[in-house]
Amino acid sequence: AQKITQTQPGMFVQEKEAVTLDCTYDTSDQSYGLFWYKQPSSGEMIFLIYQGSYDEQNATEGRYSLNFQKARKSANLVISASQLGDSAMYFCAMRGWYAGGTSYGKLTFGQGTILTVHP
Amino acid sequence: DTAVSQTPKYLVTQMGNDKSIKCEQNLGHDTMYWYKQDSKKFLKIMFSYNNKELIINETVPNRFSPKSPDKAHLNLHINSLELGDSAVYFCASSQEGRGQYNEQFFGPGTRLTVL
Repeated sequence: AQKITQTQPGMFVQEKEAVTLDCTYDTSDQSYGLFWYKQPSSGEMIFLIYQGSYDEQNATEGRYSLNFQKARKSANLVISASQLGDSAMYFCAMRGWYAGGTSYGKLTFGQGTILTVHP
Repeated sequence: DTAVSQTPKYLVTQMGNDKSIKCEQNLGHDTMYWYKQDSKKFLKIMFSYNNKELIINETVPNRFSPKSPDKAHLNLHINSLELGDSAVYFCASSQEGRGQYNEQFFGPGTRLTVL
């Protein structure tokens, strides 16, 4: 079984500052992937960044980076230079690969964190 | 050139009715999903189809019946709608493969309101 925990229901950040959104996970899978999605008020789910459990480097995508600490089972999202358009709900999610190599994609989501960027 | 599309975007209906939501993806992916997002924004997988074959069925009431006529389409039919079925339903797709990174692309969602 997999579990994702996002302990921050809401976060506030000043425009142009950096913010970290927390995500911890629990899984018995040997191999797994961690994702972050953004859901603005318009409702769509936007993929931001991915980290594989065997990736040695932390993932980065533009202003997004993932602070992956495998021993602590955490995969925090760091947004640098926050913009007003970053105000949204952010979801951490994970999937595992079963013995044999495939899992057909089931994503387990955390509860989400609402980020508000102040001007 | 929408990647994953869903129709309708909004669906308002009475309790007890039967309704369908359609999903199409033009990404050439082999796996499609239905997720439900409840009023507290919690997202949970309902079904997964790989090459038209049901792979994941997450303890969803049997009033919900997915159908995949081909790899590009996954529809969700709901019988005897209940108030608790009110939610946003997301379709998603991905290309699965052993050991690969497989981003899931989500559709825009269908907001179902049962009165």
